Amino acid sequence: DAGVIQSPRHEVTEMGQEVTLRCKPISGHNSLFWYRQTMMRGLELLIYFNNNVPIDDSGMPEDRFSAKMPNASFSTLKIQPSEPRDSAVYFCASSFGGAVQPQHFGDGTRLSIL
Amino acid sequence: DAKTTQPPSMDCAEGRAANLPCNHSTISGNEYVYWYRQIHSQGPQYIIHGLKNNETNEMASLIITEDRKSSTLILPHATLRDTAVYYCIVRGPGGSYIPTFGRGTSLIVHP
Repeated sequence: DAGVIQSPRHEVTEMGQEVTLRCKPISGHNSLFWYRQTMMRGLELLIYFNNNVPIDDSGMPEDRFSAKMPNASFSTLKIQPSEPRDSAVYFCASSFGGAVQPQHFGDGTRLSIL
Repeated sequence: DAKTTQPPSMDCAEGRAANLPCNHSTISGNEYVYWYRQIHSQGPQYIIHGLKNNETNEMASLIITEDRKSSTLILPHATLRDTAVYYCIVRGPGGSYIPTFGRGTSLIVHP
């Protein structure tokens, strides 16, 4: 079975550019999560969707970050404009049945903003 | 969600059992204990979870104390590929959606 698929795996871009990260959750899962991981702050939840609806976005750092889930099989996390401090590994995870169910993570997108 | 406390690092010899402790003294009655691990350069991987009873699957065993204030993840025969950071998380249906992964325990399995 295909797991959570994220693209791209690596992204290097200059500050000020728009960055779009993509995620395809596991088929049948109805909850989707975006996380950010850095050495300083560890693994942080950015936003949580349930049935394509954003439930909790209190972890989104600022207005430069936005996330969408237009359908059950696709989500994007966009940063515009990007800044060097956004450099991190961004993970997408999905689960069936809500936030308390085991989450299945993708392999992440390693983002470097120069 | 209840906070958890884990030792920052542990080591284990290959082939021996690895016992990873976790304290969650403020756990509520409807909160589950979850364990994940993260191998370098990969996303976190779900291992096991439990409420009251001990649980076992193909990856590990979870032992929860009777008062539920602590638990132990057991890898019965650790291999080099089990070297990873292990996270203990306590979550319940009434708690915040924001899970606290914390810093976890860095387990090094040596030959």
